[in-house]
Amino acid sequence: ETGVTQTPRHLVMGMTNKKSLKCEQHLGHNAMYWYKQSAKKPLELMFVYSLEERVENNSVPSRFSPECPNSSHLFLHLHTLQPEDSALYLCASSQVVSSSGNTIYFGEGSWLTVV
Amino acid sequence: GQNIDQPTEMTATEGAIVQINCTYQTSGFNGLFWYQQHAGEAPTFLSYNVLDGLEEKGRFSSFLSRSKGYSYLLLKELQMKDSASYLCAVSPMTGGYNKLIFGAGTRLAVHP
Repeated sequence: ETGVTQTPRHLVMGMTNKKSLKCEQHLGHNAMYWYKQSAKKPLELMFVYSLEERVENNSVPSRFSPECPNSSHLFLHLHTLQPEDSALYLCASSQVVSSSGNTIYFGEGSWLTVV
Repeated sequence: GQNIDQPTEMTATEGAIVQINCTYQTSGFNGLFWYQQHAGEAPTFLSYNVLDGLEEKGRFSSFLSRSKGYSYLLLKELQMKDSASYLCAVSPMTGGYNKLIFGAGTRLAVHP
């Protein structure tokens, strides 16, 4: 139990479907992240919300749409995905601090398969 | 550019010591993290170095040389449960949220 909970753990969707991934953190953090993990590639940062404001959007296609209604919840809305979007999507959280060492804590991830 | 290199795979024997190296070139530096990730599970935090030198935490130690852009993770008294991927990540920013840049990970296999 990492304090960051993701649902669903596994999702299979067609290219025309619309689905959402959900993340909830119970650590009292105020920054939340979406990462993509593909086989044999580094974790790729997709989005960052700091104090409920989106502060990073790393050239992610518009078929991925994040939402952060409050500091404890984060969503990733998915629509018209492509097969190459199949990957493990990791949610994470951390504190926003003025000094160094703000460790990021990850959820278990949502395995997404696009067919 | 931003670049973090670590070996793709390593093998070691139960009870032995293994050292996983990481070299980095980033536009800024505010610390280096090591994470462990078992297959199908979340990456979990192992260690953090921001100053040069060795940080020891039980069987695991992590070393940093900022001038050389180099770190290593040392695992002692290896156990079968240490078979996992080990991720090196650099934090390029000071304060605020943490925009970690990850290496591709080193998959460690511990055998009897």
